[in-house]
Amino acid sequence: DGGITQSPKYLFRKEGQNVTLSCEQNLNHDAMYWYRQDPGQGLRLIYYSQIVNDFQKGDIAEGYSVSREKKESFPLTVTSAQKNPTAFYLCASSINQESGNTIYFGEGSWLTVV
Amino acid sequence: ELKVEQNPLFLSMQEGKNYTIYCNYSTTSDRLYWYRQDPGKSLESLFVLLSNGAVKQEGRLMASLDTKARLSTLHITAAVHDLSATYFCAVFLTQGGSEKLVFGKGTKLTVNP
Repeated sequence: DGGITQSPKYLFRKEGQNVTLSCEQNLNHDAMYWYRQDPGQGLRLIYYSQIVNDFQKGDIAEGYSVSREKKESFPLTVTSAQKNPTAFYLCASSINQESGNTIYFGEGSWLTVV
Repeated sequence: ELKVEQNPLFLSMQEGKNYTIYCNYSTTSDRLYWYRQDPGKSLESLFVLLSNGAVKQEGRLMASLDTKARLSTLHITAAVHDLSATYFCAVFLTQGGSEKLVFGKGTKLTVNP
């Protein structure tokens, strides 16, 4: 089945550690996005990428890094510079269609700092 | 900067009642999305609204878009417990050749028996 796969679903990070969240899609979508969701809050955009080898900062990019070496993959690294990384992270991808952009979300990854 | 505001943020209603959630946005856009999120889960797409005056309905939910007023509504008819969830609106912003989806803070809906 086509879709977006995020892994791991749950991740614990020690203080000072970098961790990487994986996002893979087999939908042949050009655009991919990373969002962060804090409890009881909306989604805030971290980074997004319209095409391979190109990405832009979203509203809360500090302390995060991404790469887009392949169309299918858009991993997010949460660095030690991110002071409060505990949150729910959602990856999404989209494709332009006449009926509007179709946007698909992964199942999400829970990151907790211990 | 695009701002997307939903209200109310919390809504408690009885089964069988009707109510409307509002979504205002600050910059011109011709694409608006409504999503549902259950606790601990990802987002489920409900509606995509693409033009002024667009109206879409699915079951007890109906969404509309007024691009001139920069307003979308999500109307709930004869609410049932299964509709309890958090509902988000999101607006697609095209800027400088890039596109991104900006979300409201969500409306947490609780439907009581």
